[in-house]
Amino acid sequence: AQRVTQPEKLLSVFKGAPVELKCNYSYSGSPELFWYVQYSRQRLQLLLRHISRESIKGFTADLNKGETSFHLKKPFAQEEDSAMYYCALHNAGGTSYGKLTFGQGTILTVHP
Amino acid sequence: EPEVTQTPSHQVTQMGQEVILRCVPISNHLYFYWYRQILGQKVEFLVSFYNNEISEKSEIFDDQFSVERPDGSNFTLKIRSTKLEDSAMYFCASNGGQGAYSNQPQHFGDGTRLSIL
Repeated sequence: AQRVTQPEKLLSVFKGAPVELKCNYSYSGSPELFWYVQYSRQRLQLLLRHISRESIKGFTADLNKGETSFHLKKPFAQEEDSAMYYCALHNAGGTSYGKLTFGQGTILTVHP
Repeated sequence: EPEVTQTPSHQVTQMGQEVILRCVPISNHLYFYWYRQILGQKVEFLVSFYNNEISEKSEIFDDQFSVERPDGSNFTLKIRSTKLEDSAMYFCASNGGQGAYSNQPQHFGDGTRLSIL
């Protein structure tokens, strides 16, 4: 069964500090990983996906198949980064029609 | 930018009553989903829908749940006889335009908060 684990429910940093939100997954097939973000009173929206290998709002995430991780990083956190972050996995190689499996979510708070 | 819209934003219903949650996916999308999030818990997959039929459902999606695309724009989730434990935020999502696949990023609605009394 596929599973996504975000070990930190809450993460607090000061503005300008580096931030890393951890995500580990377990899946035997060919996973596709995403980070979704939910700002206060807004909808879930895609932040980035591993196959794009791009940086969005200064965030990057590298898929490490050896460690089965997809940690989200930003070198200098900003107050506007405060939000709930969800790591999600999609079964890219099977018959699952787009089903996403989510982690528990991490609430990031960036203090001034 | 086109958005997924959900109505109502908040639904309060007596236990045992039927409830219908409505969603309008992005117009050229072909794959539709419902997820739910019980307060304090993770977002959980309920069901996916493609080509006018359910393509996958979770163990949560039992006989009291059903989905329908009654016309070309709406996608509904019906809970036949609600229970207290159905209280949650329900999210609709869609993806996959013509020629695309279900692994495209999903676009989510704002959610409907369902409260069962």
